[in-house]
Amino acid sequence: KNEVEQSPQNLTAQEGEFITINCSYSVGISALHWLQQHPGGGIVSLFMLSSGKKKHGRLIATINIQEKHSSLHITASHPRDSAVYICAVSLRNTDKLIFGTGTRLQVFP
Amino acid sequence: ETGVTQSPTHLIKTRGQQVTLRCSSQSGHNTVSWYQQALGQGPQFIFQYYREEENGRGNFPPRFSGLQFPNYSSELNVNALELDDSALYLCASSSTSGSRDTQYFGPGTRLTVL
Repeated sequence: KNEVEQSPQNLTAQEGEFITINCSYSVGISALHWLQQHPGGGIVSLFMLSSGKKKHGRLIATINIQEKHSSLHITASHPRDSAVYICAVSLRNTDKLIFGTGTRLQVFP
Repeated sequence: ETGVTQSPTHLIKTRGQQVTLRCSSQSGHNTVSWYQQALGQGPQFIFQYYREEENGRGNFPPRFSGLQFPNYSSELNVNALELDDSALYLCASSSTSGSRDTQYFGPGTRLTVL
């Protein structure tokens, strides 16, 4: 079993839909990262959070430390949101980053 | 744009050869981490350098080695290349050691080993 699990693996949506991507982890962490990877490989950091909730534009990230679960929400989705979204956790003891396998999102006009 | 650059963009090598990949971090970032991402997988941590010293290593053999220089550039060297080394190699810089800080990723180097 992977230490970081994401669901769903693949997601398709119509433009304008509300999207939720989930991340569960089984290890002690000091922080959780949400990353966006576009075709071609470049990765952009969207959020880093250790508690509560963060919002940036149409993106919202939440984390529940007790339940070891985080969600990434996209409101009013747009085709340009199409990408792979990756959840990664910073291990508490080593500060090493462990990545999930990603959620491939496709938003159609 | 994250301010982190990598070179080359693509590289083709044959089994047994050696390769050096380069990363230029954001100015002021004294921590660089290297990751290997196989097709369809999430990145795997190779190692991290902080102030020119190795500061943590993942489950990669010694033929994966690195260097970090005072000018915020770094290298990943892989000796005796194997077919399974074919992957996207990403570097990420941050302003503090560890990973409890926002990571700024480069665009990656895609290595193909034939």
